[in-house]
Formats: sequence, structure tokens, C-alpha cells
Amino acid sequence: GAVVSQHPSWVICKSGTSVKIECRSLDFQATTMFWYRQFPKQSLMLMATSNEGSKATYEQGVEKDKFLINHASLTLSTLTVTSAHPEDSSFYICSARTGEREQFFGPGTRLTVL
Amino acid sequence: GQNIDQPTEMTATEGAIVQINCTYQTSGFNGLFWYQQHAGEAPTFLSYNVLDGLEEKGRFSSFLSRSKGYSYLLLKELQMKDSASYLCAVMDSNYQLIWGAGTKLIIKP
Repeated sequence: GAVVSQHPSWVICKSGTSVKIECRSLDFQATTMFWYRQFPKQSLMLMATSNEGSKATYEQGVEKDKFLINHASLTLSTLTVTSAHPEDSSFYICSARTGEREQFFGPGTRLTVL
Repeated sequence: GQNIDQPTEMTATEGAIVQINCTYQTSGFNGLFWYQQHAGEAPTFLSYNVLDGLEEKGRFSSFLSRSKGYSYLLLKELQMKDSASYLCAVMDSNYQLIWGAGTKLIIKP
């Protein structure tokens, strides 16, 4: 099956710093990548959708200046959490899709902001 | 608006059968997905239904009725490792996934 990797798996940072999370599709080209956030005991919340070479589409309530998404190639998308605060602590999951059907999820990145 | 409903939590006994229901109202329909998510991990794909009927895959089966906006995931011969959250998601007319809140399944010995 298709494999999606995320790096890092977990990160702890100080409040006010920026954190970059990478999402890679390892054995396929992803036309679209998705970034989700999941707080404990809650469902996935879609943050944004990104297509290679174009600007990301953000969901309502998600600050585009705070969560910077760059979909540089068909196999790589990055999410940068700028000026992170404790309330940004969450489980960030990316997924990648080729064609119009199944999404393949990365293993997730657990962010803790002190 | 778009809406996916599934029970918040269910409990079942090891070795038994459990059915997790999902009802949906979406703008368009391009298939329904079931994902399994263990605590602290990302979701993993279980099944995809786009036509009415039952799809069987080992111990897991998924059913779809488009006219009723209804699906269920059937888990047989439950094992302790099946304790997880089960997420129902519908792909709408824009090929975007609309997610349910998930059903936490607790398996007891």
C-alpha cells in the first residue's frame, strides 16, 4: 500500500518558537495533501488542503498566517506552526491522496508547546 | 449542512460481534470510508463503499445503503486489539472527506 511519512514524530518546543512538520508520500505522487489536527479524545479536524504548486485552502477558523503550508512537490508538504503557544499542542496528522479516492495517512506528529 | 452521525462509545465482549452504525447527510456522495484509529496513532484504512451492499474483508464487513444515507461496520470474532476508535467518513461532491466524530469501541474479556 501507499506509504506516507511524517517528521518529526514528536516535538517539544518553547512558547514563541516555530516548528516545521514534514509530510512525504514515499512511493506515490500525491496530487493533494491534507493537514489535520486532533485534540485528545476528539475527532480529526481538517485544517487545510494543499495542492502541489498552489496555495493551500484553509478551513474556517484556521489562521493561515500562523499555520504556513508549503506543498513544494508532488511528494512533500510542510506545515510550519509559527510562534507556537501551549494551546497549539496537539496531534498533527497529514494525509495524501492520488486521484480522487482514498487518503493515506502519515503516522502523525505530537507537538507539545511549553 | 453536512453531517455524519455515529455513536460515541460502544462496549462488546471478546469473541462476540459488534455493529457500528453511521448515518450521513452530505452534499453529494462519492463513497464512504471506515478507518480504525488506536489511541495516539493515525487512522488506518479499513474499507470503502460506493455501491449499495455488503463488502466483506476478513473479520470486518462494511454495508452501505445510499438511499437511506446509512452504513455500518461489522466486526466479528472480536479481539482485544480491536479496542480502538472507528471513524466513518463520507467523500462529498467536491471529493472532500467529511468526518464523523468516531466511535470508541471497548472490548472486555
